[in-house]
Amino acid sequence: KQEVTQIPAALSVPEGENLVLNCSFTDSAIYNLQWFRQDPGKGLTSLLLIQSSQREQTSGRLNASLDKSSGRSTLYIAASQPGDSATYLCAVLDGTGANNLFFGTGTRLTVIP
Amino acid sequence: EPEVTQTPSHQVTQMGQEVILRCVPISNHLYFYWYRQILGQKVEFLVSFYNNEISEKSEIFDDQFSVERPDGSNFTLKIRSTKLEDSAMYFCASSSYLGNEQFFGPGTRLTVL
Repeated sequence: KQEVTQIPAALSVPEGENLVLNCSFTDSAIYNLQWFRQDPGKGLTSLLLIQSSQREQTSGRLNASLDKSSGRSTLYIAASQPGDSATYLCAVLDGTGANNLFFGTGTRLTVIP
Repeated sequence: EPEVTQTPSHQVTQMGQEVILRCVPISNHLYFYWYRQILGQKVEFLVSFYNNEISEKSEIFDDQFSVERPDGSNFTLKIRSTKLEDSAMYFCASSSYLGNEQFFGPGTRLTVL
């Protein structure tokens, strides 16, 4: 069964810093990987989707990379802002033909003004 | 921008009661999902639905759970006889086709007393 791990569990950085969030998964046979943002008590906002054939995706200050063979993805946030404070989740869609996402436990990011 | 909506935002019920959680997926999407997140835990897949039938379900989705698309817009999750351990945030999601980006609703917080 696919297991998704995110390290660190929590991260505090001063405003303006660049930062990297990590995600690893046990089965490299994935179809795609999605990064989400979750604000406290709220739903999941999709940030980026990387297909298994892609190496990276960019959206504004966010850049996600994927190394399928090593079972890793990173989310790079440039010039962090207090509004970036949230929990960031990564989720993989298995390549077995299943259509369900396997989620990590998330990284809780705090950007200090 | 199209979005997934869910009602109610919060539902409180007594153990043993039936609850129905409602979702309106994005209008041109064909795949629908329910996930849940117990407080402090990972988001977990419950069920996926396509072409008016369940396409996949997890071991959590036992006989107490059912899903339905009663009309062209709504997608519902019914829990027949709620248990204390059903207390969680329930998320509905939809995608345009298999393997594409999944978009999540804001969630329904279910509290079973």
